[in-house]
Amino acid sequence: AQSVTQLGSHVSVSEGALVLLRCNYSSSVPPYLFWYVQYPNQGLQLLLKYTSAATLVKGINGFEAEFKKSETSFHLTKPSAHMSDAAEYFCAVSSLVQGAQKLVFGQGTRLTINP
Amino acid sequence: EPEVTQTPSHQVTQMGQEVILRCVPISNHLYFYWYRQILGQKVEFLVSFYNNEISEKSEIFDDQFSVERPDGSNFTLKIRSTKLEDSAMYFCASSRQRASGNTIYFGEGSWLTVV
Repeated sequence: AQSVTQLGSHVSVSEGALVLLRCNYSSSVPPYLFWYVQYPNQGLQLLLKYTSAATLVKGINGFEAEFKKSETSFHLTKPSAHMSDAAEYFCAVSSLVQGAQKLVFGQGTRLTINP
Repeated sequence: EPEVTQTPSHQVTQMGQEVILRCVPISNHLYFYWYRQILGQKVEFLVSFYNNEISEKSEIFDDQFSVERPDGSNFTLKIRSTKLEDSAMYFCASSRQRASGNTIYFGEGSWLTVV
């Protein structure tokens, strides 16, 4: 079974500082990995995804993530945090189960930006 | 940009009552899903639906749950007799394809409170 672990349920950084949100996965097959963001009172929005084309994936709003097979990780980074980045971030792994695509989510990391 | 829309955004219901949550998936999408997030817990897969039938369901999706695409545009989740533990945010989602690397698009969620 596939699973995802997000290290740190809460991360707080200063505006302008580096954002690093950690995600480790477990998968018996080459994984497809996603980062979703949930802004307050909104739904889940795709930030970026890894589908084996390139290990460094660039997403929206200046975020990027690097797939590292040796570390089974897919950490999300942004060089300089902005106040508008405050949200909850979810890492997920995708699988096909009996022909249906299914996302397995981590527990989420709430990102707080300090002025 | 096309989006998945859900109604209601928030519903309060008494235990034992039937609830129908409605969703309009993105118009050219063929695969439809419901996920839920109990407060403080992970986003969990409930069910996937394709070609007017369930293609996969989780152990959470028991006989009190049902899904339907009644008119070619709406996709509904019915909870026949609600329990307190059904209180959660319910996310509808859709996708064009079912490949593992395919993007699943989520709605803003319907917050269900059972009292």
